[in-house]
Amino acid sequence: GAVVSQHPSWVICKSGTSVKIECRSLDFQATTMFWYRQFPKQSLMLMATSNEGSKATYEQGVEKDKFLINHASLTLSTLTVTSAHPEDSSFYICSAPGRGAGTDTQYFGPGTRLTVL
Amino acid sequence: TQLLEQSPQFLSIQEGENLTVYCNSSSVFSSLQWYRQEPGEGPVLLVTVVTGGEVKKLKRLTFQFGDARKDSSLHITAAQPGDTGLYLCAGEYSGGGADGLTFGKGTHLIIQP
Repeated sequence: GAVVSQHPSWVICKSGTSVKIECRSLDFQATTMFWYRQFPKQSLMLMATSNEGSKATYEQGVEKDKFLINHASLTLSTLTVTSAHPEDSSFYICSAPGRGAGTDTQYFGPGTRLTVL
Repeated sequence: TQLLEQSPQFLSIQEGENLTVYCNSSSVFSSLQWYRQEPGEGPVLLVTVVTGGEVKKLKRLTFQFGDARKDSSLHITAAQPGDTGLYLCAGEYSGGGADGLTFGKGTHLIIQP
């Protein structure tokens, strides 16, 4: 089946620094990828839609200048958290739509745990 | 903003009991997925339902999609401790194109031996 990977799995950084998270579709091409954020004990919240070859689309309330998204190729999207602060600490998960079992399916990455000190 | 109400949010029951988790919206879904998520991992797809009235079974799990495609349920028969986890419903709303999923708040399920 389709596989999506994320790197790194976890990262700890100091407040004010920037962190880049990669999302890769390993065996299929994805012109669109999605970035979600999940706080402890809560559900996933869609942050933005990453589009290969064009600008990302951000959900209401998500700062595009803080969460920079670059869809560099058909298999790679990156999310950069700029000037990270402790409140940005969260579990970041990406997904990519693929064809599975006769219908479109979202394949999720394993997530990246970000801790900002 | 599309809303997806999932209930209950927390459920703790004894091994062998049955349970049902509900997912409701005022809007029509083009498709609805159920996921299970373990701590520190991404969600894993359990099932996708597309057709109104559709019923799908996965061993002891039965998934139902409402006739109007606005609601869905997950029923677990004879729950086992291995069923413990976070169950998430997620909907893709009618509108065409590739859209991100709207997730319910999740149901934290604990099955006690």
